[in-house]
Amino acid sequence: DIQMTQSPSSLSASVGDRVTITCRASQSISTYLNWYQQKTGKAPKLLIYAASRLPSGVPSRFSGSGSGTDFTLTISSLQPEDFATYYCQQTYSSRAFGQGTKVEIK
Amino acid sequence: QVQLQESGPGLVKPSETLSLTCTVSGGSINNYLWNWIRQPPGEGLEWLGHVSSTGSTSYNPSLKSRVTISADTSKNQLSLKLSSVTAEDTAVYYCARCGSAWPYYMDVWGKGTTVTVSS
Repeated sequence: DIQMTQSPSSLSASVGDRVTITCRASQSISTYLNWYQQKTGKAPKLLIYAASRLPSGVPSRFSGSGSGTDFTLTISSLQPEDFATYYCQQTYSSRAFGQGTKVEIK
Repeated sequence: QVQLQESGPGLVKPSETLSLTCTVSGGSINNYLWNWIRQPPGEGLEWLGHVSSTGSTSYNPSLKSRVTISADTSKNQLSLKLSSVTAEDTAVYYCARCGSAWPYYMDVWGKGTTVTVSS
């Protein structure tokens, strides 16, 4: 099974900060990597797919990069509505999620 | 606009089988993969498995012996059955749509339904 490890597990940041979350796969997954945002009490929302592609409607301050085993989600300027938990997910084999990264207000 | 709605008992007794339904409205279940994902209280997301409209399935290896997912195209519904439940199966259960070809991503989610396992 492919394991997904996110870091950090949580972080505190201020509005306007640049935030970076990393996701590492236990084996190469090419660009079979998605990112989701989940707010408290809500279903997850697709944020990035195929490692770097933004779905329609997702703000351009969100970006994704990486291939193989190492991936990054970047929020260029954190906004109040971005405080949430972020999950990576591999779709190379099965559909495993990372353990999540909680972004909190500093 | 496609919408998903999970439904089923909110309380299940230990050792029994959890059964949930996901109703798809605003679109067909054809040509997609339909997933079940769960989230225990205060924890992360766990993918349980998916089914295609033709009935082809794939399951999380850690739960494969207990999970059955099926699709009913006539009703535009998906179902989840999880057998021999314990308190560790207490979670919010979501259904989600995924494309059937690369790039695979879950773009439509239900709101989730809470299931508690308790006697």
